[in-house]
Amino acid sequence: GQQLNQSPQSMFIQEGEDVSMNCTSSSIFNTWLWYKQDPGEGPVLLIALYKAGELTSNGRLTAQFGITRKDSFLNISASIPSDVGIYFCAGLTDSWGKLQFGAGTQVVVTP
Amino acid sequence: EAGVAQSPRYKIIEKRQSVAFWCNPISGHATLYWYQQILGQGPKLLIQFQNNGVVDDSQLPKDRFSAERLKGVDSTLKIQPAKLEDSAVYLCASSLGTGVSNQPQHFGDGTRLSIL
Repeated sequence: GQQLNQSPQSMFIQEGEDVSMNCTSSSIFNTWLWYKQDPGEGPVLLIALYKAGELTSNGRLTAQFGITRKDSFLNISASIPSDVGIYFCAGLTDSWGKLQFGAGTQVVVTP
Repeated sequence: EAGVAQSPRYKIIEKRQSVAFWCNPISGHATLYWYQQILGQGPKLLIQFQNNGVVDDSQLPKDRFSAERLKGVDSTLKIQPAKLEDSAVYLCASSLGTGVSNQPQHFGDGTRLSIL
């Protein structure tokens, strides 16, 4: 089946720095979603992208749907301690809503 | 709006025993999903229901896993007998319907299963 390659696997950054992560695939996706998962909790949706080339922001978060429809990136600006967690990209290929998840990017923010 | 409810939060069993998980989706959500999340990986879809019918169970190990959503609301996922490799977090999610226009999926906090 399709495979999403998410990178980097982990990031250690200082508070105030910007964070960037991305997902690539060999297959085309119709929708890209970015989730954040805190320890002991389920993933929470951050941003949803529905059109190729779309750039969407949610507070300090910005995500883009790649023009080729095979990639997406997520930026976090001016990181704060509560940004710590695992960020997952997820792609939707068909009309039945079956999501493919990346392996996640673990973000650690140090004061 | 109440979120997706799952129970129990934690379960520890020995291999070859059976276990069941319960999920109550967000009210009015027709589509319900069960995911398996192994440590260090993203969630993997096990089964998807649309109301009380199965839409996709291609990745469900049917020799040991079963799931039902009899009245189109609550759902249970069962493992019998459990194997060591079943140790994971089992996440339930729900959405208004299928397809792009009915996303996103909302997740519960999961059941963490440990097999001894």
